[in-house]
Amino acid sequence: AQSVTQPDIHITVSEGASLELRCNYSYGATPYLFWYVQSPGQGLQLLLKYFSGDTLVQGIKGFEAEFKRSQSSFNLRKPSVHWSDAAEYFCAVVSPTSNYQLIWGAGTKLIIKP
Amino acid sequence: EAGVAQSPRYKIIEKRQSVAFWCNPISGHATLYWYQQILGQGPKLLIQFQNNGVVDDSQLPKDRFSAERLKGVDSTLKIQPAKLEDSAVYLCASSLALGQEQYFGPGTRLTVT
Repeated sequence: AQSVTQPDIHITVSEGASLELRCNYSYGATPYLFWYVQSPGQGLQLLLKYFSGDTLVQGIKGFEAEFKRSQSSFNLRKPSVHWSDAAEYFCAVVSPTSNYQLIWGAGTKLIIKP
Repeated sequence: EAGVAQSPRYKIIEKRQSVAFWCNPISGHATLYWYQQILGQGPKLLIQFQNNGVVDDSQLPKDRFSAERLKGVDSTLKIQPAKLEDSAVYLCASSLALGQEQYFGPGTRLTVT
């Protein structure tokens, strides 16, 4: 069965510093991968997606993610974080064997230090 | 393009009462999802529709939860009777088709007292 692991429950970074959030998946074929962000009291917003092609994917709000098949990873990056980036970030993968449902990671809470 | 609409945004009820949530997906989206999200956790899929048919409802507690999407557009999720452990945010999402990116509504925060 497919699974998604986000190893970091919380990450604290200073405003202006770079950010990398880790995501590892288990799936044999080329996965469909997503990153979503959830600000406090809000719904989930799609940041970016990977289906195929270029392994470096650009998203909204200055985020990017890189698909690395050899490491089964899809890490999210941002060169310089802003206080407004404080939120919970979820990685997800489509499961073709489970009616194309999204399999979600547990989320990483990003805390920004002023 | 209008996003996914949900109502109400907040609801407080007593245990054993009933409650209903409404969702209107993005126009043209065939697939609609209802999720339950408990504070501090990721979303848990309750039910998935393709047009007006159910694709998966394996995690829907069918003794108390029901959902319908009669005309293949908007959908309602009902809980009857509610339990304390149903306190959560109920999220609706839609996608063009199975496996495509999902777009989420703002959610309904339910508190059962």
